[in-house]
Amino acid sequence: QQQVKQSPQSLIVQKGGISIINCAYENTAFDYFPWYQQFPGKGPALLIAIRPDVSEKKEGRFTISFNKSAKQFSLHIMDSQPGDSATYFCAASMRETSGSRLTFGEGTQLTVNP
Amino acid sequence: EPEVTQTPSHQVTQMGQEVILRCVPISNHLYFYWYRQILGQKVEFLVSFYNNEISEKSEIFDDQFSVERPDGSNFTLKIRSTKLEDSAMYFCASSENFVYLDTGELFFGEGSRLTVL
Repeated sequence: QQQVKQSPQSLIVQKGGISIINCAYENTAFDYFPWYQQFPGKGPALLIAIRPDVSEKKEGRFTISFNKSAKQFSLHIMDSQPGDSATYFCAASMRETSGSRLTFGEGTQLTVNP
Repeated sequence: EPEVTQTPSHQVTQMGQEVILRCVPISNHLYFYWYRQILGQKVEFLVSFYNNEISEKSEIFDDQFSVERPDGSNFTLKIRSTKLEDSAMYFCASSENFVYLDTGELFFGEGSRLTVL
């Protein structure tokens, strides 16, 4: 119930294309859903986050779509660039646990070809 | 830009040895965390620390692990008797507030790679 399932494991997209990464969760107590971007040799860095009171959040080329009834959320990267090549992790947190634990998905390795 | 710094970047140790991983969180942050990432796998929560005590710990964080904030700037993770399966990248993180709040963004360090032989 604490798990967050992420797919695909890897994704190859052409420059200018749309990258879509999906996550699903079971525990309805989750109430905060961030996406993290990790470059090789670096720690994860927050990219964008959403709470369940909205169905979509957009920041520049990055959009989170959230479907509360389906318990799914996804990251869309528009106009993907080679510099977006990284590993992306979805995550979830719940206020019930004092909001201190992030549960991460398995990660998606994105490659954007020039 | 303020950042979380971790030392050492890589440590090789023999099974059964004690290891201490060190972190300097961002100065005005109040919440501190350790996560680990076994090679090729997902990032896993170990422990959170606030107000000089553990807020929450995962099933991974057993009696072999301990955390400490020995002074006003450092935050350490100690593994008393390392096992082969402790080999991983250990990330320290800090946040200004609870994770789910707008000011609760986690800032991760670059990690300390631990190799247990």
